[in-house]
Amino acid sequence: DAGVIQSPRHEVTEMGQEVTLRCKPISGHNSLFWYRQTMMRGLELLIYFNNNVPIDDSGMPEDRFSAKMPNASFSTLKIQPSEPRDSAVYFCASSLGAGGDYGNQPQHFGDGTRLSIL
Amino acid sequence: AQKVTQAQTEISVVEKEDVTLDCVYETRDTTYYLFWYKQPPSGELVFLIRRNSFDEQNEISGRYSWNFQKSTSSFNFTITASQVVDSAVYFCALSEAFSGGYNKLIFGAGTRLAVHP
Repeated sequence: DAGVIQSPRHEVTEMGQEVTLRCKPISGHNSLFWYRQTMMRGLELLIYFNNNVPIDDSGMPEDRFSAKMPNASFSTLKIQPSEPRDSAVYFCASSLGAGGDYGNQPQHFGDGTRLSIL
Repeated sequence: AQKVTQAQTEISVVEKEDVTLDCVYETRDTTYYLFWYKQPPSGELVFLIRRNSFDEQNEISGRYSWNFQKSTSSFNFTITASQVVDSAVYFCALSEAFSGGYNKLIFGAGTRLAVHP
């Protein structure tokens, strides 16, 4: 079975450029999460979608970051303009359900995108 | 507020040694869920186990075992007869799905395990 698929695996770009990260969740999963991982801050939740609708974006660092989920099988995380401090590994994860009885549903992570902003 | 503490930043062992990774959590909820994830050097995050707050039964899966104790708010992970392939960063996480509204994961800082031949 296909897991969560992220692209690209690595991205190196110059400061000020637009960066778009892509994610395909596991088929049938209706919850999607974007995380950022850095040495200093560990794993941080950026945004959570349920049934393609953004539910919690309180972790999005600033207006330069935006995320969309146009359909159940695709999501993007965009940074515009990018800055060196955005360098990190960005993970997408998906799961079944959301809260309540679904709270025990594990999140399944993609392989991540390693982003370097020069 | 919810919190997950993994006090061991790094552990180094020799192959075949047993090793226990500690996880202590804080929550005000009576219903919550605990998870362990593994992040090998290749970078992906791999789900290992989940536990709900009503199930304190310990679990064993091959060389892996988990000890959940509500009395001490701990969910420790033991690897028996460690192998080089166990070298990874291990994350403990907490979810308060009922009060939080969804299965938001609160991660610990992780424990880096190095198993040497």
